Amino acid sequence: DGGITQSPKYLFRKEGQNVTLSCEQNLNHDAMYWYRQDPGQGLRLIYYSQIVNDFQKGDIAEGYSVSREKKESFPLTVTSAQKNPTAFYLCASSTLTGQGSKQPQHFGDGTRLSIL
Amino acid sequence: QKEVEQDPGPLSVPEGAIVSLNCTYSNSAFQYFMWYRQYSRKGPELLMYTYSSGNKEDGRFTAQVDKSSKYISLFIRDSQPSDSATYLCAMTETGYSTLTFGKGTMLLVSP
Repeated sequence: DGGITQSPKYLFRKEGQNVTLSCEQNLNHDAMYWYRQDPGQGLRLIYYSQIVNDFQKGDIAEGYSVSREKKESFPLTVTSAQKNPTAFYLCASSTLTGQGSKQPQHFGDGTRLSIL
Repeated sequence: QKEVEQDPGPLSVPEGAIVSLNCTYSNSAFQYFMWYRQYSRKGPELLMYTYSSGNKEDGRFTAQVDKSSKYISLFIRDSQPSDSATYLCAMTETGYSTLTFGKGTMLLVSP
């Protein structure tokens, strides 16, 4: 079955620690995205990547870092600089089909990060 | 003014009711409109995807876009308890790969 796999489902971070959230897709999608979801806040874009070895900051990139070494993988690192990391993190992917059309984003089932 | 406005609810209806969920937006350049359903502790699931104005129907779901009013709607006919979830609207412009989301409306369908 094609889809987006996020792991782990739950993650705990100690003070001063960096943690990495995994996102893998087998949909052959070009673009991948990371969102943060807080209660009552909706989805906020952290980073996105449209092509391997390239990525752009979203609205709330501070305290986060990403890499895109392979088309199917887009890991997110929550660094110790992110002072309020407790949230539900969602990864998404989509096909890019040029200016005239657009394909919707499909989501994984998220990783819930908490502070110890 | 926020780009996309969506009433957070909760919206409580009895089983079998027709549900209307709505979003308003301010950016007239938005051309692509999506509705996602999100169950608790799960990722959003794409329900409907429309381009520009008009209606689109898929089973019990109908999406409507009125670009002149900057208003989109999702109608659910014969609502079921399994429809209880948070519904997110999302939209974007031609040439953009990022989406702008509403904050979601929580729907509760009671048996």
